[in-house]
Amino acid sequence: DAKTTQPTSMDCAEGRAANLPCNHSTISGNEYVYWYRQIHSQGPQYIIHGLKNNETNEMASLIITEDRKSSTLILPHATLRDTAVYYCIVRGYGQNFVFGPGTRLSVLP
Amino acid sequence: SAVISQKPSRDICQRGTSLTIQCQVDSQVTMMFWYRQQPGQSLTLIATANQGSEATYESGFVIDKFPISRPNLTFSTLTVSNMSPEDSSIYLCSVDGDRAIDNYGYTFGSGTRLTVV
Repeated sequence: DAKTTQPTSMDCAEGRAANLPCNHSTISGNEYVYWYRQIHSQGPQYIIHGLKNNETNEMASLIITEDRKSSTLILPHATLRDTAVYYCIVRGYGQNFVFGPGTRLSVLP
Repeated sequence: SAVISQKPSRDICQRGTSLTIQCQVDSQVTMMFWYRQQPGQSLTLIATANQGSEATYESGFVIDKFPISRPNLTFSTLTVSNMSPEDSSIYLCSVDGDRAIDNYGYTFGSGTRLTVV
C-alpha cells in the first residue's frame, strides 16, 4: 500500500503557483520523498526528490516539513502543459516505487 | 537518465491470444521493472526483472500469466498470456536510476496500451 495521502484533485490558474500537498506521517528516517507526474497517455516523469532539506530544480520546488510528516510540491508558474496526475511517493533505498492514486492537477486558462 | 523504448506502443488483441511487449534501454541497467496501469487507475508493480535470474513477481501476479525474459542488461520482454478483456491496460517498463546520483528514481518508458476484444 502507498504510504502517502494526497488530495484527489486540484485546480490552478495558469501563471499562478501550484502547491500540491502530501502527507506521509509514517515515513522512516532513511526514506526519501519522490514526486512524479503522468501526463495523459505518457509514462510517469520524475520531478524531484528529497530527504529532509528543501530542494529546487528547473521544474519545481519541494518543501519538506521539519518533522518530515508532510511535504509540498510547488510549481512556481503553472502552465497548461502542467495538467497531469502528480504522485507523491515515499521510498527507501532498495525499495520499489509504490504508486498511490495521486492528485489530478488541472491548470485552467 | 536512461532512455527507454517500448514496442508496440499500442495493440488490439483477440481474447485467448498472447502479446509480447519489448523494452529496450540505451544503457546497461541492473534492475528492470514492469508495471500495469488499468483504465483510470494508478500504477501497480507486476514484477522485477534482473539479468540472469528469475523475475520476482508481486502478489497477485504469476509467471504463467506474465512471463518475463531478461536476456541481457539492456533488454526485457513481458508477455501477457491467454488474454481476456480484463487485461486491457497500459503496461510500462521502467529502470532504476543511477544510484551514484543520490538515490535517483525510476525512469519509465512511454508504455504499451493494450486493448483485448
